[in-house]
Amino acid sequence: EPEVTQTPSHQVTQMGQEVILRCVPISNHLYFYWYRQILGQKVEFLVSFYNNEISEKSEIFDDQFSVERPDGSNFTLKIRSTKLEDSAMYFCASSDRGANTGELFFGEGSRLTVL
Amino acid sequence: DQQVKQNSPSLSVQEGRISILNCDYTNSMFDYFLWYKKYPAEGPTFLISISSIKDKNEDGRFTVFLNKSAKHLSLHIVPSQPGDSAVYFCAASAGSYIPTFGRGTSLIVHP
Repeated sequence: EPEVTQTPSHQVTQMGQEVILRCVPISNHLYFYWYRQILGQKVEFLVSFYNNEISEKSEIFDDQFSVERPDGSNFTLKIRSTKLEDSAMYFCASSDRGANTGELFFGEGSRLTVL
Repeated sequence: DQQVKQNSPSLSVQEGRISILNCDYTNSMFDYFLWYKKYPAEGPTFLISISSIKDKNEDGRFTVFLNKSAKHLSLHIVPSQPGDSAVYFCAASAGSYIPTFGRGTSLIVHP
């Protein structure tokens, strides 16, 4: 069964460092998303991406964040200068339709720990 | 600002009995609702959804009920099995907007 894969599964970084989280969405999907979950809190939407551009982003997704689809398979989330409060589980998701009409397929998540 | 609320952080149920997970929402524009299940160290997986034009959707042991006037939906699992033990997230979306998730309810099904 096709699945969304994410790397790394866990990354520890120092505050102020740049981090890149990688995702390989399901191959025939067109819509890509990043969500995050801070420990004990709700799953929060960060950004959606369609047709090689950001289609929607939340207030969390400030100038420190960027997304890229550098080739036909990868979808990356970059945090330019990490802060302690960026520590969370980051989930990539993809769908073949818009998120409001179909299910999102999530990866297993990348745990980011900022020290 | 919690537009989607899951007020019970945890629920414990005996195997074979019914599990009822509740979700309330505040945004009357929400028209599509989803439930996701999440096991530890895994990402959320889609379970079942319902459109606002319906009040019930059933898929095997899982049934979602929607009460639009009360802005409330619930997920029923009958009969509950130990493998159902997971965190269940309610999510809702309005039009073309991205789903908003609740905080989740941790379900434990005892053998």
